[in-house]
This record gives sequence, structure tokens and C-alpha cells, in this order.
Amino acid sequence: AQKVTQAQTEISVVEKEDVTLDCVYETRDTTYYLFWYKQPPSGELVFLIRRNSFDEQNEISGRYSWNFQKSTSSFNFTITASQVVDSAVYFCALSEANSGGYQKVTFGTGTKLQVIP
Amino acid sequence: NAGVMQNPRHLVRRRGQEARLRCSPMKGHSHVYWYRQLPEEGLKFMVYLQKENIIDESGMPKERFSAEFPKEGPSILRIQQVVRGDSAAYFCASSQRGQQETQYFGPGTRLLVL
Repeated sequence: AQKVTQAQTEISVVEKEDVTLDCVYETRDTTYYLFWYKQPPSGELVFLIRRNSFDEQNEISGRYSWNFQKSTSSFNFTITASQVVDSAVYFCALSEANSGGYQKVTFGTGTKLQVIP
Repeated sequence: NAGVMQNPRHLVRRRGQEARLRCSPMKGHSHVYWYRQLPEEGLKFMVYLQKENIIDESGMPKERFSAEFPKEGPSILRIQQVVRGDSAAYFCASSQRGQQETQYFGPGTRLLVL
């Protein structure tokens, strides 16, 4: 069974600090996808990134960067120079393709990030 | 370029009533997923549907919950005889195809059972 662990329940940082959100996953499959979603206080889910298991290249998008390491089953997310608008709950998620050819996404419990001005 | 639409955004029901949650997938998407988010928790998979077919309902409670995705119209998640424990945010997601496709989420319906 697949599992996603986000050990940090809540993090507070002061604006402009860098912050890393940890994500550790478990899966038996060799082919899987990892995601990060943002849930701001308004409640919607915003897709941030998808990474497949064969692509271990780190990715950078503006102030966001992701570090995927299969050796440690981790997919960590770093926000550089944090801003108040980054305050949200961030979910890491994992999906495996199954015999039906579709994905069931398993979410972590989320990390609540508060950026203090 | 509308995203996934869900309505209502907020729904209040008394115990024993029925709740109907609607989801219109993104244009061109024929795969719909429903997830439930209990307070202070992550999202949990409930059901996966394609047009007129339930593919996987392994995450759905066995009683009182049902889902459909008719040929025409939105997908419906129906909860009969709601109880307080059904209070949660219900998210719908859609993808163009099932496999290897990112799921895009709607804004969710927040159900409150009094």
C-alpha cells in the first residue's frame, strides 16, 4: 500500500526566510507520480508540480524548488524568500498506476505554513 | 478555459437529510474522482468514475453514499441520511485520461451537518 508522510504539522517562518517542507513516501511500484498541492485559506487545491519516478532531476520554478531523491524516498519542497501569500497548507501526494490504468492519489496529512510579516 | 466546477460551495444539512454534490469536469476531461477531506486531515480517495461507469469505489462508505457520472451533465455525489460525521470538504478532480494524467481539483464543497 502506498503512504505519504509529512512529519511537519505546522511551520512558522518570518517573511523572506527560506523554508523546506518534507515529504517521505512509501510505494512498492517502480512507476509512480509525486505531486505537491497548495491549499490556501480559501480552501481550493492548487496544483504545483508533478514528478514521475523516472525523473530525479530537481526542478525550480521561481521561488519554488523540489528535491526528489529516490534513495531516501523523499520529495521535499523549498520556498525561497517566503512571502505572506505563501501561507497555506501544502500537501504532498503519490499516485501509482494500477491494473485499471488509472491513478489513485494518496495524500499526506499536510503541512501548514505560516509566513509572518 | 474553465476549471473543474463544483456546486454548491457550501451546503448545510440537518441529520437525516440528503446531500447532493455536483461536479463538472474540465472541458475535454472524461475521468472524475471524488475525495473527502475531514477537518485537519489530508484528502482521501472515495470513487473514480468515467462517463456512465463507476470504475473504482473502494474508498466509498458502503452505505448511504453513491456516485454517478451520467452521459450528459455533471457527476453527482449523493449522501443519504447524513450524519454529523459526514461533515467535511468534498473535492472533485478530473483528468483527460486516467493513466499518467494529472488530476485537477475543483474548489470543493464544504458540507456541514447540523
